[in-house]
Amino acid sequence: DAKTTQPTSMDCAEGRAANLPCNHSTISGNEYVYWYRQIHSQGPQYIIHGLKNNETNEMASLIITEDRKSSTLILPHATLRDTAVYYCIVRVGKEYGNKLVFGAGTILRVKS
Amino acid sequence: KAGVTQTPRYLIKTRGQQVTLSCSPISGHRSVSWYQQTPGQGLQFLFEYFSETQRNKGNFPGRFSGRQFSNSRSEMNVSTLELGDSALYLCASSLRGVSTDTQYFGPGTRLTVL
Repeated sequence: DAKTTQPTSMDCAEGRAANLPCNHSTISGNEYVYWYRQIHSQGPQYIIHGLKNNETNEMASLIITEDRKSSTLILPHATLRDTAVYYCIVRVGKEYGNKLVFGAGTILRVKS
Repeated sequence: KAGVTQTPRYLIKTRGQQVTLSCSPISGHRSVSWYQQTPGQGLQFLFEYFSETQRNKGNFPGRFSGRQFSNSRSEMNVSTLELGDSALYLCASSLRGVSTDTQYFGPGTRLTVL
């Protein structure tokens, strides 16, 4: 019951911005978009989340389209340590069990 | 503030045995959720506990159960282990629950069933 679609993998040069797209065309009005990343065999690390406005924190920026059907996570200056699986997740409401629904994620490889 | 901790980090069991995993949430967090991660199925929600009560449950058989204590620490139990139960088991905590607050994950327990 994944509600998001992401590219399987992406490459990015070290020091450049990494732009990770996510499609969530069936998202409901009160469902938040979350981004987590997981470095090999560790627990997922929270990055950022948003509802309809663009968001920025010390790790990344989140751009959500006006129709909320897609979003982009931006890592402004990628480093080798940003190599990980990035998950775009929709937090579904009560009718779907109040949970995070993870998709397959995008493998981001940052190369020097 | 200390993060979510899980014990043990690694566990090897044989088919038919049972196992108990432990999770200590971030101080002040009252909600604990459990997830199973396998290469084939990805990350899947098991259940959420809040104030010692199971609030939500994923689509897993009854062999998977959990509980939460008054200090918000949680345990997850899997009985009659099967080979397919080999996975990384993750717990996540949040202040009031997954429906309202950000969840923070622990490092996971790697369970291998032989």
